[in-house]
Amino acid sequence: AQSVTQLGSHVSVSEGALVLLRCNYSSSVPPYLFWYVQYPNQGLQLLLKYTTGATLVKGINGFEAEFKKSETSFHLTKPSAHMSDAAEYFCAVSGGSGGYQKVTFGIGTKLQVIP
Amino acid sequence: DAMVIQNPRYQVTQFGKPVTLSCSQTLNHNVMYWYQQKSSQAPKLLFHYYDKDFNNEADTPDNFQSRRPNTSFCFLDIRSPGLGDAAMYLCATSRGQPSNQPQHFGDGTRLSIL
Repeated sequence: AQSVTQLGSHVSVSEGALVLLRCNYSSSVPPYLFWYVQYPNQGLQLLLKYTTGATLVKGINGFEAEFKKSETSFHLTKPSAHMSDAAEYFCAVSGGSGGYQKVTFGIGTKLQVIP
Repeated sequence: DAMVIQNPRYQVTQFGKPVTLSCSQTLNHNVMYWYQQKSSQAPKLLFHYYDKDFNNEADTPDNFQSRRPNTSFCFLDIRSPGLGDAAMYLCATSRGQPSNQPQHFGDGTRLSIL
């Protein structure tokens, strides 16, 4: 069984401020973790993923996330928010076997960037 | 560019009138998924195909069916749409192996029911 909890369905930051979107997961097997971004009326786009190896993962658009097993967390950060970062962000976990990955998505965090 | 394409982007149908949404991919991925996403909610997996093997989620209504005639195409059929079926429908693909591969999404079809 696996689940994802995203704390804060809405987050507002000022342009240039730090972005921190929180994600905690539970998984009965070693997890694969993903962050996706969704702009209005578009599909989801992969920002970054953690599978194995280095726990600090860098993604597109200046985002990064750190896998912390002891805290079962995979928070997404960006040092300086841009207006173009306004979107909805989904954390996801998978741990499927047999070559198929069943993905569980969090409820999403809508990021607002204030000029 | 390799991609996942959904048609149409917007679909309006009448209550109870069958509708088909389509998805095509140029990624040559084994797995194709259909998700339903309602406003401000996470995508909800309806079913997926692993090659030709169809896998239905336990809570997917019988009203929803799918076809995958070949590797590139997958269709979502809603036999008798109700007002509650108005949503964004997302198609996604992924490689089957290894299991840590991310999913690639189309831009979705927004379905409205009159």
